[in-house]
Amino acid sequence: GAGVSQSPSNKVTEKGKDVELRCDPISGHTALYWYRQSLGQGLEFLIYFQGNSAPDKSGLPSDRFSAERTGGSVSTLTIQRTQQEDSAVYLCASSSFIGTSNNEQFFGPGTRLTVL
Amino acid sequence: AQSVAQPEDQVNVAEGNPLTVKCTYSVSGNPYLFWYVQYPNRGLQFLLKYITGDNLVKGSYGFEAEFNKSQTSFHLKKPSALVSDSALYFCAVRDLTGAGSYQLTFGKGTKLSVIP
Repeated sequence: GAGVSQSPSNKVTEKGKDVELRCDPISGHTALYWYRQSLGQGLEFLIYFQGNSAPDKSGLPSDRFSAERTGGSVSTLTIQRTQQEDSAVYLCASSSFIGTSNNEQFFGPGTRLTVL
Repeated sequence: AQSVAQPEDQVNVAEGNPLTVKCTYSVSGNPYLFWYVQYPNRGLQFLLKYITGDNLVKGSYGFEAEFNKSQTSFHLKKPSALVSDSALYFCAVRDLTGAGSYQLTFGKGTKLSVIP
């Protein structure tokens, strides 16, 4: 079975441009997460989707960041008017949902975003 | 609020020697604890988890971790280190009670270098 896939693997953009990052979770996983990994900062939670419920956007750092998940599967993270401080690795993860607890999260390889 | 501390940015160990990577946590309720490993230019890979039961948890690649409730620790261990174990290790915690219990909070990571 395929794991979590993300595209592109690398993205270089100019300051002020918009970017879209894509995540394709493991088939059958109802929960999907986005994280940001900055150098020396560990992983920062951004947003969480669970089935058809409203997403938890509490980790998004500004209104320039948004995400959607179409059909309960593929997700797109959009960053508008990119800034240099947005440069990081963006990681997507998915997990199955059992009862009231989620199982462990499986991570994609990440998208390395560089804003010049 | 939940938090994780990995007090060592880097751990060096000789091949064949035992290794320990330290992690302490803070949660309001019961912890759900994880270790992940990240190889260069790769996403995070799940190693092991603790929910309840035996305090000693065994995981992938010969790793194990010991849950200590009184010390709020979940140190990662391996009896005999391999050069191929060199990677970045992340400890993570979820609080199984209360809102936002799906969120994983990660430590900042510990770089393990195994010296031949």
